[in-house]
Amino acid sequence: AQKVTQAQTEISVVEKEDVTLDCVYETRDTTYYLFWYKQPPSGELVFLIRRNSFDEQNEISGRYSWNFQKSTSSFNFTITASQVVDSAVYFCALSEDTDSWGKLQFGAGTQVVVTP
Amino acid sequence: NAGVTQTPKFQVLKTGQSMTLQCAQDMNHEYMSWYRQDPGMGLRLIHYSVGAGITDQGEVPNGYNVSRSTTEDFPLRLLSAAPSQTSVYFCASSPSPGQGVDTQYFGPGTRLTVL
Repeated sequence: AQKVTQAQTEISVVEKEDVTLDCVYETRDTTYYLFWYKQPPSGELVFLIRRNSFDEQNEISGRYSWNFQKSTSSFNFTITASQVVDSAVYFCALSEDTDSWGKLQFGAGTQVVVTP
Repeated sequence: NAGVTQTPKFQVLKTGQSMTLQCAQDMNHEYMSWYRQDPGMGLRLIHYSVGAGITDQGEVPNGYNVSRSTTEDFPLRLLSAAPSQTSVYFCASSPSPGQGVDTQYFGPGTRLTVL
């Protein structure tokens, strides 16, 4: 069964619009880690954020913000005032291995296209 | 630090050929992993290692072998390449949690085509 679901395949916006990416995860563990990665057209994976299951405090970092809600098993990501450079594939990932995060389970990714 | 390096960047194989994808890290990380990325499926874990001499299977291990003789290196071997193994392969490394690192470090990837 898929552990991480990103229901949005592609989102297209015009520059300066806000974009929210949905991520729903499934786990029976009480301790786990959630991640967001960005993959620009160049192909490398860029780490954006990690959240521990015991830390539900939401976070804002510049134009990025994250909303972690254990009650709904969701870890959503918002880009405020999008820019063309935000065009990329964004992956949500889950690690249930509390001894490491060497075993990540990725969602299928959401392609974000920002046009001028 | 060079971080995580992967060679080659691109490779074309014929069905049935074998090859080794190289992965090295110079950060003294205990944990190393191999993932494959296919269109529309995100990344899937092939094999991982929690230290030299210790490896285990991930979600999609069939057709691949690994070994970890040193902390630095974690090669991935394709025994008999098949077109279904056409993919982009990423290697990653990380220390254990609690050492001030938030995530795995990923290599730049190897794009493999099997004809």
